[in-house]
Amino acid sequence: SAVISQKPSRDICQRGTSLTIQCQVDSQVTMMFWYRQQPGQSLTLIATANQGSEATYESGFVIDKFPISRPNLTFSTLTVSNMSPEDSSIYLCSGYSGYTEAFFGQGTRLTVV
Amino acid sequence: SQELEQSPQSLIVQEGKNLTINCTSSKTLYGLYWYKQKYGEGLIFLMMLQKGGEEKSHEKITAKLDEKKQQSSLHITASQPSHAGIYLCGAPLYGGATNKLIFGTGTLLAVQP
Repeated sequence: SAVISQKPSRDICQRGTSLTIQCQVDSQVTMMFWYRQQPGQSLTLIATANQGSEATYESGFVIDKFPISRPNLTFSTLTVSNMSPEDSSIYLCSGYSGYTEAFFGQGTRLTVV
Repeated sequence: SQELEQSPQSLIVQEGKNLTINCTSSKTLYGLYWYKQKYGEGLIFLMMLQKGGEEKSHEKITAKLDEKKQQSSLHITASQPSHAGIYLCGAPLYGGATNKLIFGTGTLLAVQP
């Protein structure tokens, strides 16, 4: 399957600031998704990153808080805006090409202080 | 909405012992994925099951999907310390084919040498 490079792998940020996470896939993929994993919990889908158009957000997630870009079929970014300690989580991107399983980046461990 | 419940939540086994992790869905599964996550890292794909009664094996790990397609089990034979991690089952959200996944609650496995 394809490989996703996600960065940064971890960061410690001040509350009120924003962090942009990047995912680069080594081949074109049909779909890209962003997930959040809060401490001790499972993964929750944030949104589907749509190429060339606005992302599709799941219930409980909004564009102002988690703006997403996907300028082409191999790259996407997620920004966590105006951060608070409650945003401390692992954020993961996922890709899917329709031929194999969904594959994941290594995750970004975010701590907000 | 569909939910995936995993049991047990955590498991400690002696090296060499067998173990089973279960994943139960509140609705019929249109696909079931097993992933492994090392603490704080991304997800490693293990297996995908789609047909009722299907069983797949890879090395010492066997996964099954029941005939009714509402429950899956993951069995590890002769466990090793390298098997330690968090095991997650995932299923397509909305029963679709886009690989937008919901995940189970996770099972933390520790293997004592």
